[in-house]
Amino acid sequence: GQNIDQPTEMTATEGAIVQINCTYQTSGFNGLFWYQQHAGEAPTFLSYNVLDGLEEKGRFSSFLSRSKGYSYLLLKELQMKDSASYLCAAVDSNYQLIWGAGTKLIIKP
Amino acid sequence: IAGITQAPTSQILAAGRRMTLRCTQDMRHNAMYWYRQDLGLGLRLIHYSNTAGTTGKGEVPDGYSVSRANTDDFPLTLASAVPSQTSVYFCASSDDLNTGELFFGEGSRLTVL
Repeated sequence: GQNIDQPTEMTATEGAIVQINCTYQTSGFNGLFWYQQHAGEAPTFLSYNVLDGLEEKGRFSSFLSRSKGYSYLLLKELQMKDSASYLCAAVDSNYQLIWGAGTKLIIKP
Repeated sequence: IAGITQAPTSQILAAGRRMTLRCTQDMRHNAMYWYRQDLGLGLRLIHYSNTAGTTGKGEVPDGYSVSRANTDDFPLTLASAVPSQTSVYFCASSDDLNTGELFFGEGSRLTVL
């Protein structure tokens, strides 16, 4: 079956760095998305990786290893507003998104 | 710029009643989707539409129906609501079904009693 695994919850300190991991098992693979979702709000796009390597976008970076079925989202210089859930989603061979349950990130002062 | 508009924002519904969740986008996106989001689970695709006039079943289509009469509107209907359909429903759209970024509506919180 198809599966996405990511930690349920993580805690980090304001100003620090945190890495949120995601492993996936899909029938075929056509890329991986990261979305941010604040409580009670809609998910918003953060990044998309289809090739191996690191994509940097400001304080956020996303990494992909296709051979390992693994991705991570790296958040630097954490701010209180980064408290949110982070959703990992892989694109399968039918171009359907398979979603993880999300990682709730708690930022402490 | 509205993006995607969903209505209602929240609704409490008696079991057995019929309910339609509305979704309208103004971005002229071809692809539209309906997801449900439940605590501890990932977003699950209910139905999708690649383009006006076509629809397809997602992961959890039972008890739901959709229509796509035009590019902008993609309503989701629960013919006879059951308590297990209590959830937050998100409508989304994208330029291209193949790996396009999804734009989400603000969600409709539905409680079926």
